[in-house]
Amino acid sequence: GAGVSQSPSNKVTEKGKDVELRCDPISGHTALYWYRQSLGQGLEFLIYFQGNSAPDKSGLPSDRFSAERTGGSVSTLTIQRTQQEDSAVYLCASSWKGGGLSSTDTQYFGPGTRLTVL
Amino acid sequence: QKEVEQNSGPLSVPEGAIASLNCTYSDRVSQSFFWYRQYSGKSPELIMSIYSNGDKEDGRFTAQLNKASQYVSLLIRDSQPSDSATYLCAVFTGGGNKLTFGTGTQLKVEL
Repeated sequence: GAGVSQSPSNKVTEKGKDVELRCDPISGHTALYWYRQSLGQGLEFLIYFQGNSAPDKSGLPSDRFSAERTGGSVSTLTIQRTQQEDSAVYLCASSWKGGGLSSTDTQYFGPGTRLTVL
Repeated sequence: QKEVEQNSGPLSVPEGAIASLNCTYSDRVSQSFFWYRQYSGKSPELIMSIYSNGDKEDGRFTAQLNKASQYVSLLIRDSQPSDSATYLCAVFTGGGNKLTFGTGTQLKVEL
């Protein structure tokens, strides 16, 4: 596709419900990232997928958060038993080959999913 | 100490002036640095990347990197009202795959 797409664009849910957020990366990009941005805050890294390697889950805030990437393309971020503090914009980004200290890889961001937990 | 630090602003400059945005980072082994622009309600978009000490120019934008001082900056010449946005500094840190973002500096270019 032309860019990274995410769905839904907005999600309102009740505390305690589970939610699934979807990300379609740019075709051919092997690396996929999830970030969270709370109001007025910077981007918080959540999880990173690179090809068929085990994902880097070091940024997931709790075991209520999980993510998978099927077939090296589409990714789903699942939040179980949502809490009000989970309210944020969840951003997905993709890049050609992924990170590392010396990476010159540009990350392209999707439009985000705004999650509101009531 | 935060891994990537920026002044939150807002930084106000008159139209046509030079805007100077600053960022410091704590991980001495970091080698890749990025500036993203984020308009309100939108997702970040890459403005500049820099990997070597010195200056890198692209149109009205100049990124400056000083690894010894662990400092990276973004200069915007001939600032325009359309440059009004939040500018995020990002650094690959920790020897891994994590791109760490600062909290951003809000820039306001006034007519």
